[in-house]
Amino acid sequence: KNEVEQSPQNLTAQEGEFITINCSYSVGISALHWLQQHPGGGIVSLFMLSSGKKKHGRLIATINIQEKHSSLHITASHPRDSAVYICAVRMDSNYQLIWGAGTKLIIKP
Amino acid sequence: DSGVTQTPKHLITATGQRVTLRCSPRSGDLSVYWYQQSLDQGLQFLIQYYNGEERAKGNILERFSAQQFPDLHSELNLSSLELGDSALYFCASSCNNRGLGGYTFGSGTRLTVV
Repeated sequence: KNEVEQSPQNLTAQEGEFITINCSYSVGISALHWLQQHPGGGIVSLFMLSSGKKKHGRLIATINIQEKHSSLHITASHPRDSAVYICAVRMDSNYQLIWGAGTKLIIKP
Repeated sequence: DSGVTQTPKHLITATGQRVTLRCSPRSGDLSVYWYQQSLDQGLQFLIQYYNGEERAKGNILERFSAQQFPDLHSELNLSSLELGDSALYFCASSCNNRGLGGYTFGSGTRLTVV
């Protein structure tokens, strides 16, 4: 079993829909990261969370440390949100990042 | 521009050859991390340097090596290349050795081995 599991693996939605991507982990962490990778390959860091909730524009990220679970939400989704969204956790034992496999999101106009 | 510069952006080479990928970290960052992303795979951690010294090692093959120079730029050397080494190679930087301030990623080097 992977230490970081993301779901769904693939998600296709219509423009305007509310999107939720989930991340569960099984190790002790000091932080959780959400990143976005566009078709061109570049990776952009969206959020770094250690507790609670963060919001940036139409993106919201939450984390529940007790349940070892995080969600990334996109409100009013747009075709330009189409990308792979990756969850990565920083282990509290050695500070290394463990990566989820990513969720491929396609937003249709 | 994220502030992390990777060169070259694309590289095509033959099996058995050796290549060098270069990464300049964001100004002020002391740590450099190298990752490999094969087709439709997640990122695999290769190696981390902090202020010129190797800090952590991941799934890095013996044919691969890296170093970080006094000006903090880093190079990843890949030798005796095989078809399976074709991948996107990312470099990331952070201000300390624990990534406590977050990470900044370069745009990657796409290596194709033919």
